Order: sequence, then structure tokens, then C-alpha cells
Amino acid sequence: NAGVTQTPKFQVLKTGQSMTLQCAQDMNHNSMYWYRQDPGMGLRLIYYSASEGTTDKGEVPNGYNVSRLNKREFSLRLESAAPSQTSVYFCASSELGGEYNEQFFGPGTRLTVL
Amino acid sequence: QKEVEQNSGPLSVPEGAIASLNCTYSDRGSQSFFWYRQYSGKSPELIMFIYSNGDKEDGRFTAQLNKASQYVSLLIRDSQPSDSATYLCAVNHLRSTNAGKSTFGDGTTLTVKP
Repeated sequence: NAGVTQTPKFQVLKTGQSMTLQCAQDMNHNSMYWYRQDPGMGLRLIYYSASEGTTDKGEVPNGYNVSRLNKREFSLRLESAAPSQTSVYFCASSELGGEYNEQFFGPGTRLTVL
Repeated sequence: QKEVEQNSGPLSVPEGAIASLNCTYSDRGSQSFFWYRQYSGKSPELIMFIYSNGDKEDGRFTAQLNKASQYVSLLIRDSQPSDSATYLCAVNHLRSTNAGKSTFGDGTTLTVKP
């Protein structure tokens, strides 16, 4: 099992360009998440999808859109990139049930916006 | 006040010592608590979770939870240089509007010196 995969690993954009970050999981998890992590900081939730067909805003959704394509895939789109979106982006998945919500993370995408 | 606060680092301990990492949270509705380890340039990985008051031990790691004081900690006994990483505290909410979401602290960076 590959777990959670993300593409691309690195990306450099110019201000105003658009791009889509891809995420896929093969653990049959219902829930998927997109976070950003800025230097010296923890993870901030951008969007999440509790189950296939549903998405919801997290703490910092402005400037982003998401698509839950199917149970496996959850993409994050930047329509018009800004330097403030320079960050490391992590996708995660979890199996909602009971009291637990252990999240499994992908390797991350390092995005620089010039 | 941040929803999840961790003791400011960096924390430096000698090899073989006990490292103590602390976390407080503000939402009394929080029900599950997680410690993730993140090596530099890597993605977070779960090392412990706890949901009942008291201690939970796993090898050299002990998680402690006190819901009355809204406090969770991680003790690392016999610290090794390989324990040098950033440790993220995460708190999970199970109320319907927040179901499944975790809120992360900013992390504490631990350095274990040989």
C-alpha cells in the first residue's frame, strides 16, 4: 500500500498563475484533509471532506477550492496564486469512527509563489 | 488565546534524559488527543493517542491526560538523538459541526544531544 500520495512534490508559480495539487489514498478512508504548514508553525486546516461528496471549509480557506473526485482522491486548487500562499501543503486521510481520528499524511508539496 | 498551545521551544535534553512536552487546549468538548512527530522536511506521523484521563504508555513514550485541567503531555524516557524532531499536539472534536477535525498546536522542537 502506498498510503497517501501527493503530486507534485515541488512547484514554483508566478503570482496569478493557477494550479491543482493532487492527493490520493489507498486505505479506503472516508475523510480527507488539506493543510498548510508555514515555517515554525503547526498545521492549519484549509478544507476537509468528511465523506465522498461533501467538502467543508477549515481555518484558512480563502484563495483555495477543493474537489472530492471520488473516495480515493481529493484535490486542492489555487485559482490565482499569491506570495502569501507560499507554504508546504499536506494532504491527510482518516477513518472516521468511534472516538478516534488518527490521520495519515502524505509527503507534502512545497510550493513557492514568486 | 490559541485553541491548542504547546510549550515554546526549542527544548534541548542530553541523551538518556527524560523529555517532557506539554500541551493545553481551550475547548472542553475535545475528546481525543494526539501526539505527532515530524522530522525536518518530512510529514507528521502519529506516535501516541489518548482519550481517557491518566497515563498511557507505549515503549519509551508516555502520554498523560488531565481533562479537568485541559492538559495533555508527552514524556520521552531515555531520550535518543533519533528523537530529535518537532512534536505536534493535536486535539480532536467530535461534536457534529466539527466532527473528525483536528486542531494542531504550533509544535515543540526537541533536540537530544549525544
